[in-house]
Amino acid sequence: QVQLQESGPGLVKPSETLSLTCTVSGGSISSYYWNWIRQPPGKGLEWVGYIYYSGSTNYNPSLKSRVTISVDTSKNQLSLKLSSVTAADTAVYYCARGDHYYNSYMDVWGKGTTVTVSS
Amino acid sequence: EIVLTQSPATLSLSPGERATLSCRASQSVSSYLAWYQQKPGQAPRLLIYAASDRATGIPARFSGSGSGTDFTLTISSLEPEDFAVYYCQQRSNWLTFGGGTKVEIK
Repeated sequence: QVQLQESGPGLVKPSETLSLTCTVSGGSISSYYWNWIRQPPGKGLEWVGYIYYSGSTNYNPSLKSRVTISVDTSKNQLSLKLSSVTAADTAVYYCARGDHYYNSYMDVWGKGTTVTVSS
Repeated sequence: EIVLTQSPATLSLSPGERATLSCRASQSVSSYLAWYQQKPGQAPRLLIYAASDRATGIPARFSGSGSGTDFTLTISSLEPEDFAVYYCQQRSNWLTFGGGTKVEIK
């Protein structure tokens, strides 16, 4: 079955760029939407953005100016870059697969990776 | 932006009882509404998609209903493993989640 694994630095300094990778195993990255979602400590879920396997993207308007999501189909990986981070970006970051018709739900999730923004 | 409002924020029930969770959208989302369960330290798990379709492997005690702006997740008889936080999610121009309902043991 398809599994997702997030990876990247657990600690990022304020004003720097957060960079995470999600590796897809057990299936192809093709024909699906791929999402990043985050969850600050003790809070709810916030959608960050998605990328379709072809490369088209859509981002949360509140983060749009700082977010870039890309996909590498040859490596079966997607990546997230979030620039100019502050303490408010401290969260668990999840990657999740969206349904291939409309990305209206997410049926496979990674375990998540914790990112702390601190000097 | 479509805002999803979940109620109640906390539901205190005993095992075996029926749980009814509400999710209201600020404008119609048709049937593009999903429900997730999240336990502490775990990723969310998809329960219901398209408002009423159970995801693979989800027990029949979980059911979803509604369309347009008003949706309900019902757990017919709570099992010990069902005590968790539940989120609804919609997809219009972009995705948004509700604030969550915590189902706790009474």
